[in-house]
Amino acid sequence: QKEVEQNSGPLSVPEGAIASLNCTYSDRGSQSFFWYRQYSGKSPELIMSIYSNGDKEDGRFTAQLNKASQYVSLLIRDSQPSDSATYLCAVNMGTGYALNFGKGTSLLVTP
Amino acid sequence: DGGITQSPKYLFRKEGQNVTLSCEQNLNHDAMYWYRQDPGQGLRLIYYSQIVNDFQKGDIAEGYSVSREKKESFPLTVTSAQKNPTAFYLCASTPGQVYGYTFGSGTRLTVV
Repeated sequence: QKEVEQNSGPLSVPEGAIASLNCTYSDRGSQSFFWYRQYSGKSPELIMSIYSNGDKEDGRFTAQLNKASQYVSLLIRDSQPSDSATYLCAVNMGTGYALNFGKGTSLLVTP
Repeated sequence: DGGITQSPKYLFRKEGQNVTLSCEQNLNHDAMYWYRQDPGQGLRLIYYSQIVNDFQKGDIAEGYSVSREKKESFPLTVTSAQKNPTAFYLCASTPGQVYGYTFGSGTRLTVV
């Protein structure tokens, strides 16, 4: 069974701080990694993708990938209350482009 | 605007009844997926299809069926064999491995 693990949280950070979300995965053959944001009662929306070791930055978001350690992370700089949501880590399973999702980390940004 | 349309938004099923959830996309994506989300369980893959007239079982296919007669459409039927169907159902599509998914807005199914 291919696993994607995340801490469920909640992770609470003050407004303006850096939020750090972590994810580990079991399949060494995985090549594509994604972070989705899901507000309560809504569907997930893609916020970051990463395929190579290292960092990838997009605005306030930075995704980090370490394939040797099978570890993906998401940093959110200058966190805002509107960032309060559940963040899902997703890893491709190699068959039919299907993604395997973690259970998500709940983030709460307090004013 | 391109996107994925799921309907209905809310659906109520009686015991022993089959119901069909609609998923339509105008993104010209080849691959489409159905996931189920339960509280605290994350997203679990039910079925997926990479091309018309072909589909594959995911991790929790028992009690569900699908069809893919057109590229744009991938309906999911929840049969009476699915004993615990109450969940949030999400349809998604992608043009390829490196692009991630676009999700529909979901259907919330409740057994009454």
